[in-house]
Amino acid sequence: DAKTTQPNSMESNEEEPVHLPCNHSTISGTDYIHWYRQLPSQGPEYVIHGLTSNVNNRMASLAIAEDRKSSTLILHRATLRDAAVYYCILSSLGGTSYGKLTFGQGTILTVHP
Amino acid sequence: EAGVVQSPRYKIIEKKQPVAFWCNPISGHNTLYWYRQNLGQGPELLIRYENEEAVDDSQLPKDRFSAERLKGVDSTLKIQPAELGDSAVYLCASSSDPVYNSPLHFGNGTRLTVT
Repeated sequence: DAKTTQPNSMESNEEEPVHLPCNHSTISGTDYIHWYRQLPSQGPEYVIHGLTSNVNNRMASLAIAEDRKSSTLILHRATLRDAAVYYCILSSLGGTSYGKLTFGQGTILTVHP
Repeated sequence: EAGVVQSPRYKIIEKKQPVAFWCNPISGHNTLYWYRQNLGQGPELLIRYENEEAVDDSQLPKDRFSAERLKGVDSTLKIQPAELGDSAVYLCASSSDPVYNSPLHFGNGTRLTVT
């Protein structure tokens, strides 16, 4: 499985934008980039995913580098509720690994009031 | 829609005792996953079901762990006998169509403490 690299932790202030980076230099052409987050004492929660183009939804935006070797999750206005562990995960279509999400250690996001 | 339901929420047992976790996925979700999450780590896949069939159980420690998904709906994960190292959060997730990257929906997990 292709691996991702994320910073261990990041900090932000409330109502400011947050850019969470992820490196995936060994990504293959069929790998989708997924982001999940995990709030304390809860299971992981889907945030967003994409393949090549930038993606937006009500929770966040995903900016994917042109060579696809890195991506950035963007929270446009952080709130205290966004404090969580954010996981960047690659998942490939096809074969026996489809739908298999291999979590790393993620980035712990702290949001200051 | 109702989310993934897991029970119990917490379980404390002595080592060598058996324990079972139950999961009710979102209605209509054919794919079901069991993950284990150790403290400070990301979740680790134990087993994945497509309907009733276990399609990926390569990470399941089969000497003491077992799982079943009868009728392709609810699932049970069992540990017998439990060891101290099994203390972790056991997460269940379901998905409607992972082939097309439908998101995984996770329950809040069962926190197991083995003493």
